Amino acid sequence: EIVLTQSPATLSLSPGERATLSCRASQSVSTYLAWYQQKPGQAPRLLIYDASTRATGIPARFSGTGSGTDFTLTISSLEPEDFAVYYCQQPADWPPFFGGGTKVEIK
Amino acid sequence: QVQLVESGGGVVQPGRSLRLSCAASGFTFSRSAMHWVRQAPGKGLEWVAVVSYDGYNKYYAASVKGRFTISRDNSKNTLYLQMNGLRADDTAVYYCAKDRLEGSGYAWYFDLWGRGTLVTVSS
Repeated sequence: EIVLTQSPATLSLSPGERATLSCRASQSVSTYLAWYQQKPGQAPRLLIYDASTRATGIPARFSGTGSGTDFTLTISSLEPEDFAVYYCQQPADWPPFFGGGTKVEIK
Repeated sequence: QVQLVESGGGVVQPGRSLRLSCAASGFTFSRSAMHWVRQAPGKGLEWVAVVSYDGYNKYYAASVKGRFTISRDNSKNTLYLQMNGLRADDTAVYYCAKDRLEGSGYAWYFDLWGRGTLVTVSS
């Protein structure tokens, strides 16, 4: 089982700032990695898949990079609606596994 | 409108059963594999089960294998999760989610989610 570790657990930033979230895999997942956003009381939303491909309708301020074991989600300039919890997920190994999440909160 | 709507959650005693449903609309339900993913209160996401686009292939997380059964009715655009032998640690919001890949096979990425239904297992 490939475990995903996300850091930091909480990120306190102001609107307009840049957010950098990390996801580390216990083994290589190549570029098979996704990022999801979840707001309180809502379902998760797919942002990025295959490490760097934005899902349909996702704004360009969201970008994903990385391969192997180290991945990064960057939000170039935080909008008020971006404050949420972000999860990474790997489909490369059985079972598909989610990281523990990073909460991006308003500073 | 493209959406998934779960139903069937509630409070149930340990050892009892519950069946969840997920109604799909706005897309061709029969073309995609479908998953259940759950989230315990205040916790992260845990994948539970998947069924292939045609309903023939099914896979389960170790934590639910032998107790839960996933199925689908493509004529009704509906996904199901039959949960037997429920335990306290099954308490969670259960989401249905669509696989990003259409046709045979699985992408194991989830590109459409419902709002979830809460299952509480308690005596």
